[in-house]
Amino acid sequence: AQSVTQPDIHITVSEGASLELRCNYSYGATPYLFWYVQSPGQGLQLLLKYFSGDTLVQGIKGFEAEFKRSQSSFNLRKPSVHWSDAAEYFCAVGEGGGFKTIFGAGTRLFVKA
Amino acid sequence: DTAVSQTPKYLVTQMGNDKSIKCEQNLGHDTMYWYKQDSKKFLKIMFSYNNKELIINETVPNRFSPKSPDKAHLNLHINSLELGDSAVYFCASSQYRGSSYNEQFFGPGTRLTVL
Repeated sequence: AQSVTQPDIHITVSEGASLELRCNYSYGATPYLFWYVQSPGQGLQLLLKYFSGDTLVQGIKGFEAEFKRSQSSFNLRKPSVHWSDAAEYFCAVGEGGGFKTIFGAGTRLFVKA
Repeated sequence: DTAVSQTPKYLVTQMGNDKSIKCEQNLGHDTMYWYKQDSKKFLKIMFSYNNKELIINETVPNRFSPKSPDKAHLNLHINSLELGDSAVYFCASSQYRGSSYNEQFFGPGTRLTVL
């Protein structure tokens, strides 16, 4: 079975600083990878996804992620964090022929002024 | 216009009771899901339905019975509620495209508290 690991339970960055959230997956073939964001009290929203092609994918809200097969990683980045980015971030991988998504444990992002 | 809606938003009940959570999507999707998010924010899939048919059942206790009357609705009925059922339950939907994976749209969640 596939799995997703997010090594950091929480991260604190200063507003305006750059951000990188780590994600590692285990899967034999080319994975379908996602990053979702969950604001407090809300459902999840897709930031970006990778299926194939260019390994650097752009998403909404200024986020990007890079797929590195050699490292089994799909790290999320943002060059300059805004206070409104404070939220829970989930990395996920598709499984089950299109009907199942495995989520990592999440990384809580705190933004300090 | 809410894409995926869930009712109720909050549900507080006693152990042993039976309760239902309703989910509706107006996106025209053919696949719907139920997820459970525990107190540590861990999100785990429970069920997925495609065109009203059960596709994935992640070894969920049979006290949980999903029902999909049509493609736009996926309700979750829970019998004999236990303390461990306390969690936030999310409904989601997507459009199936063969073996590919499409973006899932999530509802706002239902916070279930069992006393």
